[in-house]
Amino acid sequence: SQQGEEDPQALSIQEGENATMNCSYKTSINNLQWYRQNSGRGLVHLILIRSNEREKHSGRLRVTLDTSKKSSSLLITASRAADTASYFCATAWNYGGSQGNLIFGKGTKLSVKP
Amino acid sequence: ETGVTQSPTHLIKTRGQQVTLRCSSQSGHNTVSWYQQALGQGPQFIFQYYREEENGRGNFPPRFSGLQFPNYSSELNVNALELDDSALYLCASSLGGLRTYNEQFFGPGTRLTVL
Repeated sequence: SQQGEEDPQALSIQEGENATMNCSYKTSINNLQWYRQNSGRGLVHLILIRSNEREKHSGRLRVTLDTSKKSSSLLITASRAADTASYFCATAWNYGGSQGNLIFGKGTKLSVKP
Repeated sequence: ETGVTQSPTHLIKTRGQQVTLRCSSQSGHNTVSWYQQALGQGPQFIFQYYREEENGRGNFPPRFSGLQFPNYSSELNVNALELDDSALYLCASSLGGLRTYNEQFFGPGTRLTVL
């Protein structure tokens, strides 16, 4: 079963606008990661935020984490057509089990129109 | 480019056949994880290998098996293929140790179609 749920499932915006995607998860985590996937190809790691962090920035990306609400958001500012892709959040379990086992959500499909 | 390679890129098999998928991890990485991604879904964890031993398994039947070699490359074997095994199979390498949660670097995937 999938740990996370991204919201919305699909998002269509114009170039230059900001895109916000949300992720909710169910259990305690060590960290939460965001990945991008272009057209059913491999996943590209975007950013990792640890459970003791609340916000992190990387270029045009801003990620927030609220462990009390078990939710995270990914903001892409000044979007470009090249940002068109599916975005997934993935959580790494906090205890037991396999180290580094990632649990993915179903993803948000972002379309940025030029 | 992550330095993780997978072969083959695409594969078509018939129900009941067996398949082997291969993954070469990024230099210096000792951990390989395999994921299955059905169309329109997120990747699902199959299993992970750390220093040649299975180090965790997801909810997949025993006909999904794997190996990791001394150079840390890995194979995923699937026996008695079923139609529902049609998916993109992704491997990811990382520098792991017990109870570490490091970034995983994904390969481009193998697209398996079972007819």
